[in-house]
Amino acid sequence: DGGITQSPKYLFRKEGQNVTLSCEQNLNHDAMYWYRQDPGQGLRLIYYSQIVNDFQKGDIAEGYSVSREKKESFPLTVTSAQKNPTAFYLCASSMGGWGSGANVLTFGAGSRLTVL
Amino acid sequence: EDQVTQSPEALRLQEGESSSLNCSYTVSGLRGLFWYRQDPGKGPEFLFTLYSAGEEKEKERLKATLTKKESFLHITAPKPEDSATYLCAVQSPNSGYALNFGKGTSLLVTP
Repeated sequence: DGGITQSPKYLFRKEGQNVTLSCEQNLNHDAMYWYRQDPGQGLRLIYYSQIVNDFQKGDIAEGYSVSREKKESFPLTVTSAQKNPTAFYLCASSMGGWGSGANVLTFGAGSRLTVL
Repeated sequence: EDQVTQSPEALRLQEGESSSLNCSYTVSGLRGLFWYRQDPGKGPEFLFTLYSAGEEKEKERLKATLTKKESFLHITAPKPEDSATYLCAVQSPNSGYALNFGKGTSLLVTP
């Protein structure tokens, strides 16, 4: 079955450490996204990529980095510069067009990061 | 800048008690308004996309409608399994194909 796989599901980090969250999709989607979710805050966009080897900052990109070397993969690194990294991180993908169906985002199951 | 506001923040219903969730939005060049359902600890699940004022879509007990300023998610005769957080989002040319989400409405349906 096609879908999005995020790993790990739970991750604990000490302050000052960088961590990388994995996101892999087998939907043959061109566009991929990273969102952060905090209680009562809804989903906030960190980074998005519309095509391989290209990505743009979202609303809260500071302290995060991404790469898009393959169509299927869009890993997110949470760096030590991120002041409050404890959150639920969601990866998503879409076909990447404006037409009906092409703009629907499909989400992974999420990764919960806790900074100790 | 796109803005999406959902109300109420939380809603408690008795099983069978119909109600509506509201999503008001401000966006330049709406490309689509989306409704998602999210269960605790899981990723959002797509429900509907609406593209123009007057459009309506239905799925089981849920019906979504759209005007030029807001969208409603009507829940008819809800069941306990409808308990979840319902998220509204808009898409515009301002951020590529990404969605701009509201904070959600947490719905609890009691037997």
